[in-house]
Amino acid sequence: EDQVTQSPEALRLQEGESSSLNCSYTVSGLRGLFWYRQDPGKGPEFLFTLYSAGEEKEKERLKATLTKKESFLHITAPKPEDSATYLCAVQAASYGQNFVFGPGTRLSVLP
Amino acid sequence: KAGVTQTPRYLIKTRGQQVTLSCSPISGHRSVSWYQQTPGQGLQFLFEYFSETQRNKGNFPGRFSGRQFSNSRSEMNVSTLELGDSALYLCASSLAGQGQGREQYFGPGTRLTVT
Repeated sequence: EDQVTQSPEALRLQEGESSSLNCSYTVSGLRGLFWYRQDPGKGPEFLFTLYSAGEEKEKERLKATLTKKESFLHITAPKPEDSATYLCAVQAASYGQNFVFGPGTRLSVLP
Repeated sequence: KAGVTQTPRYLIKTRGQQVTLSCSPISGHRSVSWYQQTPGQGLQFLFEYFSETQRNKGNFPGRFSGRQFSNSRSEMNVSTLELGDSALYLCASSLAGQGQGREQYFGPGTRLTVT
């Protein structure tokens, strides 16, 4: 069954403690994998698009990578302002080209 | 460039009523998609409009409908509201239709509460 999963469900880090979030997917005909950040009560904020295995994108303390089955969002030396829910979304032929979102990872960075 | 705007930001309605939500996409974006977000189900796709035509539809009942105008602004309507329709409704716009692997940009959402 096609699906998008994210792990862990929640993650608590100390400021400066690097870690990675995982997004796993089982689809055919991947058109793109997207990462978003969402703060409470707000709409998701676009971070990255990845199109093919081996691709990497970076922005400040965030780095996204993609393999054939999963994507990682690496957070280096996080700060409290990085606390948010991080969502991944997959667009694929097997989903009828719709965006399918994972459940998200709630990240808390403690000072 | 102005972002995606949604109105109203908050709504309280009673069961059985209907509601209309509005979305203005980023200038130049022709694709508008609507999503429902709830704590239990996460972000779920409702439908997408591109150049005034519905191109994709999610698995929601016919009570949920939408339309898009020639200026790309979109409205979503929910009739005969149920308690379970309480959610954050998000609109997202994109330069291209969903099938073209282009990122979507989200508005702030409309928080709908059904009592």
